[in-house]
Amino acid sequence: EVQLVQSGAEVKKPGESLKISCKGSGYDFTSYWIGWVRQMPGKGLEWMGIIFPGDSDTRYSPSFQGQVTISADKSISTAYLQWTSLKASDTAMYYCARHVDMDPWGQGTLVTVSS
Amino acid sequence: DIQMTQSPSSLSASVGDRVTITCRASQGIRSDLGWYQQKPGKAPKRLIYAASSLQSGVPSRFSGSGSGTEFTLTISSLQPEDSATYYCLQHNSYPLGTFGPGTKVDIK
Repeated sequence: EVQLVQSGAEVKKPGESLKISCKGSGYDFTSYWIGWVRQMPGKGLEWMGIIFPGDSDTRYSPSFQGQVTISADKSISTAYLQWTSLKASDTAMYYCARHVDMDPWGQGTLVTVSS
Repeated sequence: DIQMTQSPSSLSASVGDRVTITCRASQGIRSDLGWYQQKPGKAPKRLIYAASSLQSGVPSRFSGSGSGTEFTLTISSLQPEDSATYYCLQHNSYPLGTFGPGTKVDIK
């Protein structure tokens, strides 16, 4: 079974750094893009960026370029989304999903940024 | 950048009704479009891929059609468990993608 399992919920203060993860199993992790999606409270889905773990080719939506960093460690079949300095506006649910057509999805990681 | 619009933004319908949601792309995207269902507190789930192919395990009352710039998701006979928000996603700008703003479906 193809599965993506994300790391647990995080509560952080503004200005702190954070790295959340998405571990793939049941398929060749190096052969499919992994995308990240933001969902702010009560809002819709926003496509953030995507990485090809086979060669770490990474692309970002213009709205998220420079705001986050997407990476992957193919040796442990895990993709990452990280922030160097969190803001309250980063409070959201973050999902990973396999490939450009986004199936399946991880269960989501809730990130709360509050002083 | 390819922009996606959806209509309506919300609807309320009765059990057994036929429901249609439309997604429009700002430029032609062939059939590079999927439909996703999201229930409160849950991750989205793909219903349709390649504009009209039904995801395995999804009830046959869901169907998709269209190509180019206009696409529809149809629920042929609305069921109580179909109460959710539905999103389209274009991936023609490979490997980039864009979601539509969503359509919330309520049961009367």
